[in-house]
Amino acid sequence: GQSLEQPSEVTAVEGAIVQINCTYQTSGFYGLSWYQQHDGGAPTFLSYNALDGLEETGRFSSFLSRSDSYGYLLLQELQMKDSASYFCAVSESDYKLSFGAGTTVTVRA
Amino acid sequence: EAGVTQSPTHLIKTRGQQATLRCSPISGHTSVYWYQQALGLGLQFLLWYDEGEERNRGNFPPRFSGRQFPNYSSELNVNALELEDSALYLCASSLEPGTNYGYTFGSGTRLTVV
Repeated sequence: GQSLEQPSEVTAVEGAIVQINCTYQTSGFYGLSWYQQHDGGAPTFLSYNALDGLEETGRFSSFLSRSDSYGYLLLQELQMKDSASYFCAVSESDYKLSFGAGTTVTVRA
Repeated sequence: EAGVTQSPTHLIKTRGQQATLRCSPISGHTSVYWYQQALGLGLQFLLWYDEGEERNRGNFPPRFSGRQFPNYSSELNVNALELEDSALYLCASSLEPGTNYGYTFGSGTRLTVV
């Protein structure tokens, strides 16, 4: 079976940096994705890592270590609008994404 | 460009009834994926349709079924509804079968079974 572990909640103040870790055990691995979801709305794609290393997209960065079955999403210069749930997802095959349970990020003023 | 659209946004059914949920993918996308998101849980893979065919299904009972139409829109049917079927049902589309660089999700249908 598969399992993805990520913290359930993180709270931080505006301007701070937050790191959301994700460890995974899956039958197959093509890559690690991150999605953001506000208040149960549509999840939106943030990033994808197929190879080890850091990918930077504006204030958000994502990291992958395949040997450690580990990745993280780094949110920098936190803004109130970043309050949302963040899901890591593993591509177990060329069609299927398996999602973690999500991390709720709360940004305080 | 219109995104992935789902209807209805909310649906209330009683136990034992059938529910039908609809999804229109982004124009040009041939693959449609259905996920179930129960409260406090991640997204559970339900079904994948491509070019009108069911390509794969997740670990759900046969009363969860669906189809894809020639215009690539899709329908999810849930028969003999149970209370635990209450969840947000999300549809996603992608440009090519097997593309995992990014799914585009719809806003979902909130199904409540009472």
